[in-house]
Amino acid sequence: EPEVTQTPSHQVTQMGQEVILRCVPISNHLYFYWYRQILGQKVEFLVSFYNNEISEKSEIFDDQFSVERPDGSNFTLKIRSTKLEDSAMYFCASSEISEETQYFGPGTRLLVL
Amino acid sequence: RKEVEQDPGPFNVPEGATVAFNCTYSNSASQSFFWYRQDCRKEPKLLMSVYSSGNEDGRFTAQLNRASQYISLLIRDSKLSDSATYLCVVNSPEDDYKLSFGAGTTVTVRA
Repeated sequence: EPEVTQTPSHQVTQMGQEVILRCVPISNHLYFYWYRQILGQKVEFLVSFYNNEISEKSEIFDDQFSVERPDGSNFTLKIRSTKLEDSAMYFCASSEISEETQYFGPGTRLLVL
Repeated sequence: RKEVEQDPGPFNVPEGATVAFNCTYSNSASQSFFWYRQDCRKEPKLLMSVYSSGNEDGRFTAQLNRASQYISLLIRDSKLSDSATYLCVVNSPEDDYKLSFGAGTTVTVRA
């Protein structure tokens, strides 16, 4: 069964450093998403991406965040200058079409020290 | 007002019991509804979509009440493996189909 994959599974970084989280969506999916979940809190939407551009972003997704689809398979989330409060689990998801089920990757646990 | 609200539980039930819980959503324009399951420190996994007429998948039954804007999930004959957090998830076309998650209802099934 096809699945979304994410790397790395864990990332520890110093405050102020840049991090790039990588995702490989399911191959025939066209819509890609990033969500985050701070420990003990609910899953929160960050950004959706379609046709090589952002289709929607939340207020969390400020100028420190960016997304890119550098090639035909990867979808990345970059945090330019990490803050302590960026520590969370980051989930990538993809769907075939926008209103269909979104499938989640296993997540990257980011810890900012 | 939160977009999606759930009773956090926990619901502690013995094996074989039936457990049910609800979720309410605030956006009346919401069109798609899901129950996801999340195990500790893992990704959300789709349990089932929720259809207007209600639907069943094995021991799981989901109901949607659009007039009252709530969704329910019922688990029959609970198994130990049903222990998890159940996430009520809603999406709306006006929000470009981003998923709005509830905080989850924790269910613990004991032997």
